[in-house]
Amino acid sequence: DAKTTQPPSMDCAEGRAANLPCNHSTISGNEYVYWYRQIHSQGPQYIIHGLKNNETNEMASLIITEDRKSSTLILPHATLRDTAVYYCIVRVKGGANNLFFGTGTRLTVIP
Amino acid sequence: DTGVSQDPRHKITKRGQNVTFRCDPISEHNRLYWYRQTLGQGPEFLTYFQNEAQLEKSRLLSDRFSAERPKGSFSTLEIQRTEQGDSAMYLCASSPTGAGMNTEAFFGQGTRLTVV
Repeated sequence: DAKTTQPPSMDCAEGRAANLPCNHSTISGNEYVYWYRQIHSQGPQYIIHGLKNNETNEMASLIITEDRKSSTLILPHATLRDTAVYYCIVRVKGGANNLFFGTGTRLTVIP
Repeated sequence: DTGVSQDPRHKITKRGQNVTFRCDPISEHNRLYWYRQTLGQGPEFLTYFQNEAQLEKSRLLSDRFSAERPKGSFSTLEIQRTEQGDSAMYLCASSPTGAGMNTEAFFGQGTRLTVV
């Protein structure tokens, strides 16, 4: 699976949109972009995934650039409970979940 | 079924002792994964099962580590002759398989091991 690059940390004001970037310049044509987050002392939680089209669910939106070399996870109205480490992962959909997490982005939502 | 369950949540053991952790996956999930996470790092893949078959093992899984899933349901991870470097959070995850299905992994809360 391709590797990803994320900033180590970000801050966001409560109620504002949090935009978390991810670079995946070596992504293959059949690899999807997945996002997970890990709140302190809990296991990772799946957020969203996409191939090339933008995706939205009840938790977040995922914007993937046209060349698919980068993406942005958007939390539209960040709350204090969104404080977590966010991991961007690229993998083949339906493959085994031996996910490569990297070190992720630590998002701190500030009151 | 409320999700992936791991037991115990915390374990403190003396160096050289053996420890065993249990994971109960979501009941309809036939894939089960073990990860290890040390402080400040993301989870690292250790091994995974499809039903009772262990299909992949990471190089991180030394000879002192063994995982089983005898009936394709719950799994155990045993560490023999523990070392201080084994101190970590051990995470279990499960996922379904099948064409057209979402195959995202669901993680348990983890077992935090401290070797003293």
